[in-house]
Formats: sequence, C-alpha cells, structure tokens
Amino acid sequence: DTEVTQTPKHLVMGMTNKKSLKCEQHMGHRAMYWYKQKAKKPPELMFVYSYEKLSINESVPSRFSPECPNSSLLNLHLHALQPEDSALYLCASSLSRDPGSYEQYFGPGTRLTVT
Amino acid sequence: AQSVTQPDIHITVSEGASLELRCNYSYGATPYLFWYVQSPGQGLQLLLKYFSGDTLVQGIKGFEAEFKRSQSSFNLRKPSVHWSDAAEYFCAVGSYGQNFVFGPGTRLSVLP
Repeated sequence: DTEVTQTPKHLVMGMTNKKSLKCEQHMGHRAMYWYKQKAKKPPELMFVYSYEKLSINESVPSRFSPECPNSSLLNLHLHALQPEDSALYLCASSLSRDPGSYEQYFGPGTRLTVT
Repeated sequence: AQSVTQPDIHITVSEGASLELRCNYSYGATPYLFWYVQSPGQGLQLLLKYFSGDTLVQGIKGFEAEFKRSQSSFNLRKPSVHWSDAAEYFCAVGSYGQNFVFGPGTRLSVLP
C-alpha cells in the first residue's frame, strides 16, 4: 500500500482564522514532507521531517507551523494567512531519511483558499 | 546549481500516437531520476524511477524512460497514448543529501 492521505480535501479560511492540515501514512516511512503548489507550477518544498524531527525548513513564513506528532502523522498549522497563500498543499513521504535518494509518495493534496 | 528543464510546456498528441516527453538535468552528483504525473487538482503519482543499472526503466501505465548520461537526459516515452494520459508530467532529480528538484512540467493534451 503506497497511500498517503490528507484532510481536508478543500479548505476556505479567512485571514484571521486558525486551521490545520493533516497528513497520514502507514508505509513505515521515516521522512515526511510538506509542499506548496501554485497553479501550473511544480511543487515547492516547505518542510521536511526525518524521524519526527524537523530537518529542513525552506525559509517558510512563521504563519505556517509544522508538527509531527509521530512517525505516521504530519500536521501543518495555519494562522493569519494571506491571500497569496492560496494553493494546493501536498504532503509526501519517503522511506529514506535522506530527501533526495528515494522516491517520494504524495497525497492528493488540500486545496486552500484564503479570503 | 542543480537544475531540471522540460523544454516542452505543452504537447498535444492524438490518441493512439506515440509520446516522448523530454527532461534534461544539470547535476554535480550522481542523480536519482523520477517521473511523476499529476491529474488536475490531484497529487503526484510516481510513474517510474532510475537509480542505477539498466538505463531503460519500465514504469506503470505502459510508460518507460531512458537515462542517457552523455546527454544528461531522462526522456519519458509511451508507444500508444490513451485519452486518460492527459495530465501534467513532472521530471524530478534528486541526489544524496539534496532534495528533489522538479522540472517546470509538461502539460499533455490528447486528441480523440
């Protein structure tokens, strides 16, 4: 089973709201990722967790706060977002703790709209 | 700097025709190469990967890709395209210690 699940599928939030995106995998993978994807663009890496520790933060604004409660779960907490943060947010996981040396499996994404 | 190019932004082919999507990379280290497909509003699905060994790799949905080190290329091919293959295709390159670099993507349209 190579499934990564994400909830919710769609999210509309105001600029003063607080919301969370959730991601889950049961493949025993030890690295998990958050990506942001704008329309007609490739995914942009935001965060990498390896063995439940944050290993890469690609200079993402603090209004995005990742959390890895255990090896199967990854959350992205959102607060005071801007309209330009509207995008498809993708979660991925991979077996290896090294982000570039193993294939990544992606979830279906959360379509976020900030009003 | 590491980079991945996909020269074709948009390709249109007729159903049943053959397909080749191009991917070129510039990488200092030994690259690991991947092709992903993305249908509208969906996540990315892994089509195939290359780490080492045989330079012609087979993937899912009838796709294959060939690694040519001398040309720094990893082109994706399919002998007969189906209407359901219409999607965005991303080439990605990784290496040890470096996260994926994605190409800009190629949008495939399929004519009936």
